[in-house]
Amino acid sequence: NAGVTQTPKFRILKIGQSMTLQCTQDMNHNYMYWYRQDPGMGLKLIYYSVGAGITDKGEVPNGYNVSRSTTEDFPLRLELAAPSQTSVYFCASSPDRNYGYTFGSGTRLTVV
Amino acid sequence: DQQVKQNSPSLSVQEGRISILNCDYTNSMFDYFLWYKKYPAEGPTFLISISSIKDKNEDGRFTVFLNKSAKHLSLHIVPSQPGDSAVYFCAASGSSVGAQKLVFGQGTRLTINP
Repeated sequence: NAGVTQTPKFRILKIGQSMTLQCTQDMNHNYMYWYRQDPGMGLKLIYYSVGAGITDKGEVPNGYNVSRSTTEDFPLRLELAAPSQTSVYFCASSPDRNYGYTFGSGTRLTVV
Repeated sequence: DQQVKQNSPSLSVQEGRISILNCDYTNSMFDYFLWYKKYPAEGPTFLISISSIKDKNEDGRFTVFLNKSAKHLSLHIVPSQPGDSAVYFCAASGSSVGAQKLVFGQGTRLTINP
């Protein structure tokens, strides 16, 4: 049971570089989410998707982009990385909003 | 605007005693509440949930209480065990259009002392 898989687990980026955080789930969940967690803070929603081809902004979308071409994959793209994007990023999925989310193990990103 | 608040950043409890974690919310449209547990270097894992039509939900050692009039929920862990040491997040969602997403509190770090 893989659940939600995130890659990479760690990454150091230089200011202005770009990268894609990968997220794949094998539970056939319609809903997928990207959150970031800053030290001492809760999880802030970046983007979410309610199904393939449908995405929407969350609370903190600036500097990020997403796509959802398949049910399984929900990559998060960082363009022109900034130090403010240093954070731990979590991808999650759920079959329905009233089910607990299944989270990936996170990607720790440092922008220097 | 923090819609879900956990005002205690940390809590220390003796093993075997009760742990009570608190959470307040401001949005009256929230109708579903969840608790997550997070260990270091891992993603949060779902613990227990409650719908707004209930005021209590129990699952083994874990009980969640909801007080809608006070916009307050709490998680009780009895008896507390060393493996319960983790960060606990409460989260809420609402049934209004476009609200298929959870809003999380800041988390409370629970430490169970032997």
